[in-house]
Amino acid sequence: SAVISQKPSRDICQRGTSLTIQCQVDSQVTMMFWYRQQPGQSLTLIATANQGSEATYESGFVIDKFPISRPNLTFSTLTVSNMSPEDSSIYLCSVTGGPEAFFGQGTRLTVV
Amino acid sequence: KQEVTQIPAALSVPEGENLVLNCSFTDSAIYNLQWFRQDPGKGLTSLLLIQSSQREQTSGRLNASLDKSSGRSTLYIAASQPGDSATYLCAVSALTGGGNKLTFGTGTQLKVEL
Repeated sequence: SAVISQKPSRDICQRGTSLTIQCQVDSQVTMMFWYRQQPGQSLTLIATANQGSEATYESGFVIDKFPISRPNLTFSTLTVSNMSPEDSSIYLCSVTGGPEAFFGQGTRLTVV
Repeated sequence: KQEVTQIPAALSVPEGENLVLNCSFTDSAIYNLQWFRQDPGKGLTSLLLIQSSQREQTSGRLNASLDKSSGRSTLYIAASQPGDSATYLCAVSALTGGGNKLTFGTGTQLKVEL
């Protein structure tokens, strides 16, 4: 299994600002995944973060809005840029250990 | 495009009851299926993983089955307890060049009452 730590656990931000979420894993992993869970909804994959290359974004998500860094095999950041109330969600990072996926505790973001 | 549906959306049962949660998916070409538990405002805890070649997995009071050809999975919870109250999510994965990506279902919100 993998232990994943996310920071911050929650934040309240003003619209128009940006927030960077950190994800730290206790072991080296090739790929890290970022998901969004909007209120009352299920999880949607934002992007896959690969070490040493550009992140791969899913349909509907763009790098200018959700820039991702992956400086090494245990760490990644997701930035939510120019926030609006519609960005209020839980953001989760995930890794896979073999076939199994593991998740951090999430970052609850409220944009006011 | 893979779509995952969970029925029922919400369920309330008395303590001690056995219950079944259902998950269906439209594309049977999956790598594996995973059941998660999510407590309010929290992240996901992995409960059971069933690989595509397997039919079922058991952990304690939980048993999950997989019928890949019909696109269905069930999560059986025996002797439910108030501590089981949470949202249960199933997710299927497709192993692509982009890694093990998950498509999640809509979730079943379970409440176990004393």
